[in-house]
Amino acid sequence: DGGITQSPKYLFRKEGQNVTLSCEQNLNHDAMYWYRQDPGQGLRLIYYSQIVNDFQKGDIAEGYSVSREKKESFPLTVTSAQKNPTAFYLCASSSRQNSYEQYFGPGTRLTVT
Amino acid sequence: EDQVTQSPEALRLQEGESSSLNCSYTVSGLRGLFWYRQDPGKGPEFLFTLYSAGEEKEKERLKATLTKKESFLHITAPKPEDSATYLCAVRWDDYKLSFGAGTTVTVRA
Repeated sequence: DGGITQSPKYLFRKEGQNVTLSCEQNLNHDAMYWYRQDPGQGLRLIYYSQIVNDFQKGDIAEGYSVSREKKESFPLTVTSAQKNPTAFYLCASSSRQNSYEQYFGPGTRLTVT
Repeated sequence: EDQVTQSPEALRLQEGESSSLNCSYTVSGLRGLFWYRQDPGKGPEFLFTLYSAGEEKEKERLKATLTKKESFLHITAPKPEDSATYLCAVRWDDYKLSFGAGTTVTVRA
């Protein structure tokens, strides 16, 4: 079955620690994305990557970093510089072949105390 | 500033009571409008893409329509399993979407 996997489902960290969220897809999609979802707000784009070894900042990139060394993988690091990291994080992917429709993974809920 | 606004924020329906959700947008150069369904604690599930005014798409009890400035998601004779948050998103370039905050639908048996 093709799809997007995110791990872990729940993550707990202490303030001041960096944490990396995993996202893997086997849809053969070129583009991958990271969003943040907070209650009562729309999804906000953190970073996106159109191709391997290339990525661009989204609307709220401060305090986050990414890498895209493989087509299938797009990990997100939440650094200690992110002022309010507790949120639900969603990874998505898309391709030109499916008109750039974005398909989402199951999400990771990060809690920082 | 490009904006996507969904209304109402919450909708409580009795089973079988049809209703509509609204998504209005101010994005210029629309390149597609997407509807997603999201269950609590899960990722959004893709429902529909609409590209041009007048277009309609249907899936089971859901029908999405598009005009020049808004889209409607009609839920016909809803069932409790239709309870979810419905998200609208507008694509304004190949890679970027602007999302509304969603409408949370609760269908009571």
